[in-house]
Amino acid sequence: EAGVAQSPRYKIIEKRQSVAFWCNPISGHATLYWYQQILGQGPKLLIQFQNNGVVDDSQLPKDRFSAERLKGVDSTLKIQPAKLEDSAVYLCASRPPGASRDTQYFGPGTRLTVL
Amino acid sequence: QQQVKQSPQSLIVQKGGISIINCAYENTAFDYFPWYQQFPGKGPALLIAIRPDVSEKKEGRFTISFNKSAKQFSLHIMDSQPGDSATYFCAARLRGEKLTFGTGTRLTIIP
Repeated sequence: EAGVAQSPRYKIIEKRQSVAFWCNPISGHATLYWYQQILGQGPKLLIQFQNNGVVDDSQLPKDRFSAERLKGVDSTLKIQPAKLEDSAVYLCASRPPGASRDTQYFGPGTRLTVL
Repeated sequence: QQQVKQSPQSLIVQKGGISIINCAYENTAFDYFPWYQQFPGKGPALLIAIRPDVSEKKEGRFTISFNKSAKQFSLHIMDSQPGDSATYFCAARLRGEKLTFGTGTRLTIIP
C-alpha cells in the first residue's frame, strides 16, 4: 500500500511570497489532516477534512492560510503571504473510514524555510 | 489546559538499557494517549497507545505506564537498541479526535 505522498519535500521562499503544498492521501482514506511542526515542537493540527468538507480549522490562521480538498481526494495547503514564523515542516496525514480515530498515517512532510 | 508537557528534551541511553520518557497533562477530558516515533525526514508513526482506564500497556519492548490521579504517563523502552534512536512524541486526544502533541524527546542509543 502506497503511503501518504507530499510535494515538494523542501521549499525556500522569501517573506511575503506565496507557497502551496500538495498532499495525496492513501487511497480510500476519507479523513485528511494538515499539521504544522515547528522545529523542536510537536505537530499542531491546522485543519481536518472529512471527504471534501472541513471538520476542524480552529487553529488555521485564516488571514494567510487556506486549504482545500475539492474532490475529496488530494489536498492543497496555501500560505499567502508567508511570514518568517511560518518556517516549519508541514505534515499531511490520512485515516481510513471505519478505522480507529488514532490511526493516522503521516506523510514525510514539506520543510518550508521563509527567509 | 490543552498542553501536554514532555520531558526530557533529549536522552542518551546505552544499548541494552531502559529509556524512559515522561508526559503530564492537565485536561481530564483527554481520553486517549498515544506515543509517536519519528525518524529524521519522516512523518510521525503511531508506536503504542493507552486509554485512561488502563494503568499499563505493553507491546514488545515498549510499555506505557499511566497514572490517572497524577495525570502523568510515560513510555518505557526496554533493552534499547540503536535502531530506537528517534524523536518520540507523546500526545493526548480530546473527544472528537483532535490530537495535542508534546514537544518531543530526542532519544539517542549509544553502543
